[in-house]
Amino acid sequence: AIQMTQSPSSLSASVGDRVTITCRASQGIRNDLSWYQQKPGQAPKVLIYDASSLESGVPSRFSGSGSGTDFTLTISSLQPEDFATYYCLQDYNYPWTFGQGTKVESK
Amino acid sequence: QVQLVESGGGVVQPGRSLRLSCAVSGFTFSSYAMHWVRQAPGKGLEWVAVVLYDGSNKFYADSVKGRFTISRDNSKNTVYLQMNSLRPEDTAAYYCARYSRGLLWGRGTLVTVSS
Repeated sequence: AIQMTQSPSSLSASVGDRVTITCRASQGIRNDLSWYQQKPGQAPKVLIYDASSLESGVPSRFSGSGSGTDFTLTISSLQPEDFATYYCLQDYNYPWTFGQGTKVESK
Repeated sequence: QVQLVESGGGVVQPGRSLRLSCAVSGFTFSSYAMHWVRQAPGKGLEWVAVVLYDGSNKFYADSVKGRFTISRDNSKNTVYLQMNSLRPEDTAAYYCARYSRGLLWGRGTLVTVSS
């Protein structure tokens, strides 16, 4: 199975900060990667699919980049509603695998 | 409006079985592969299984292979997860999901495996 290594596992940031989360795949996965946001008690919500495509309704401060093995989720200016846990998911082949998650906390 | 509603969760003893259901509406169910994903309390997300649009192919995570079976009934717009030989480590919220521009998730159903 493809391993997804996500980092950092947690970070502390302030409103207005630029935040970057990375995922590295153990083998090339083209651009078959999506990013999810999860808040406590809620189901995850897709932010980015195909590595860099913004899902409809998601604020433009979220962006994704990368291809092959290295991927990045960037929040250009952190907002109060963005404090949450973020996951990457490779959908290149089965079994699909998630990164371990990154918890974004308030500094 | 797309909706996915899971049911069938509960408390079950180790070694016993449970069947989860996920009823969907708002889209052409028979055109999409359907997934189950789980999340143990306080832990990350784990992909569990997928059944392709016509039920012809199924894939599983190694952690559930041989114990869990995914199936679907396109006439009822429902996907199932039959869970046998349950273990305490199967305790989790179970979500069904459809992939289209990323995964679209239901609200989940909680399974607790405990004696």
